[in-house]
Amino acid sequence: RKEVEQDPGPFNVPEGATVAFNCTYSNSASQSFFWYRQDCRKEPKLLMSVYSSGNEDGRFTAQLNRASQYISLLIRDSKLSDSATYLCVVNIRAAGNKLTFGGGTRVLVKP
Amino acid sequence: GAGVSQSPSNKVTEKGKDVELRCDPISGHTALYWYRQSLGQGLEFLIYFQGNSAPDKSGLPSDRFSAERTGGSVSTLTIQRTQQEDSAVYLCASSPGTSGPGRFFGPGTRLTVL
Repeated sequence: RKEVEQDPGPFNVPEGATVAFNCTYSNSASQSFFWYRQDCRKEPKLLMSVYSSGNEDGRFTAQLNRASQYISLLIRDSKLSDSATYLCVVNIRAAGNKLTFGGGTRVLVKP
Repeated sequence: GAGVSQSPSNKVTEKGKDVELRCDPISGHTALYWYRQSLGQGLEFLIYFQGNSAPDKSGLPSDRFSAERTGGSVSTLTIQRTQQEDSAVYLCASSPGTSGPGRFFGPGTRLTVL
């Protein structure tokens, strides 16, 4: 079983709609969680950290469920520019701060 | 520039040759990471440098892979006797410290082994 699992998608989303997807992690010692965004043939860029209480950044909302070991990302009012691959990332400090990446969820926003 | 830079951006080599990939981290960043990403796959951790500590090499896939970081700044990833399965994008990232999310990635080196 992969340490961090994501639905690869693609999620085809009409412009203006809401899309949400999850990521599950297997190591209960995971301590920090992030969403990165990766555009085609580009490097990953930090989108947002995920806090226990949940957090929002504009149209993006991230949630963490430690009991069920998953995090989620919700995008409201999708824009064409939101089309990208969203990488779920987990940090286990005891494992030396190596970020473990999921395989990514591809989102395609269409007009 | 202010970001992480990597060179070359593309490298095509023949099976069995050695290659060196370079990473220039953001000035002042003490942590440096190497990852690789195969086509359509997630990022695979390779090696991590933090300050003057011994590097965490736990992700290196074989002894053909090695990396150095000189003077706490520039890093070189070397792959000896390249194989076709080494073909991937090799990404370098740096961060100011060991905690927090602030890993800034370079644009990567796309390695193709023929």
